[in-house]
Amino acid sequence: LAKTTQPISMDSYEGQEVNITCSHNNIATNDYITWYQQFPSQGPRFIIQGYKTKVTNEVASLFIPADRKSSTLSLPRVSLSDTAVYYCLVGDTASGAGSYQLTFGKGTKLSVIP
Amino acid sequence: NAGVTQTPKFQVLKTGQSMTLQCAQDMNHNSMYWYRQDPGMGLRLIYYSASEGTTDKGEVPNGYNVSRLNKREFSLRLESAAPSQTSVYFCASSEAEGTDTQYFGPGTRLTVL
Repeated sequence: LAKTTQPISMDSYEGQEVNITCSHNNIATNDYITWYQQFPSQGPRFIIQGYKTKVTNEVASLFIPADRKSSTLSLPRVSLSDTAVYYCLVGDTASGAGSYQLTFGKGTKLSVIP
Repeated sequence: NAGVTQTPKFQVLKTGQSMTLQCAQDMNHNSMYWYRQDPGMGLRLIYYSASEGTTDKGEVPNGYNVSRLNKREFSLRLESAAPSQTSVYFCASSEAEGTDTQYFGPGTRLTVL
């Protein structure tokens, strides 16, 4: 049962900025939002993590509104090597008091076109 | 520093056979996880171990058992394999429980005939 919602796929041309949004209505108060990247036949790899407002590192930016019910991963000037599946990961308080389950979104398949 | 290692890389089983997938990490992490990945389903959590000596069910635990052998090792056992368990299995570890950064192994591709 999916606890997050992301677009299934996106296409972009090389050099463009790409924004991928994840909805997570039941995020836990103390949880962070984490995005991962996965290439075929490999395990996911950490990209960026944040709690609220904006976080930026050398590969991406993460925008989180005040209510934290969604987040947007921004990839500046994508290249062909950015073609991958992108997942957002959050905690889920719907499992009951004192516990939560870790849930990956279904992922967004980004295809970068030359 | 190998990170997270998994064995075997590939395995073919017949229905009803049993096997254990091995996972080890050398980062002194407290938490470890087992996921399965099926086409179009993303990653789904099978079991996790928040710390040595504890294990908890994830989203899809039926048909699996786990053992946190020590801080480094976390194994996943299929007692009686079924075709529905054909999948790619990933092990991961993190310093702490929750959405702390997880480091993934290379995966085990399992086919059950």
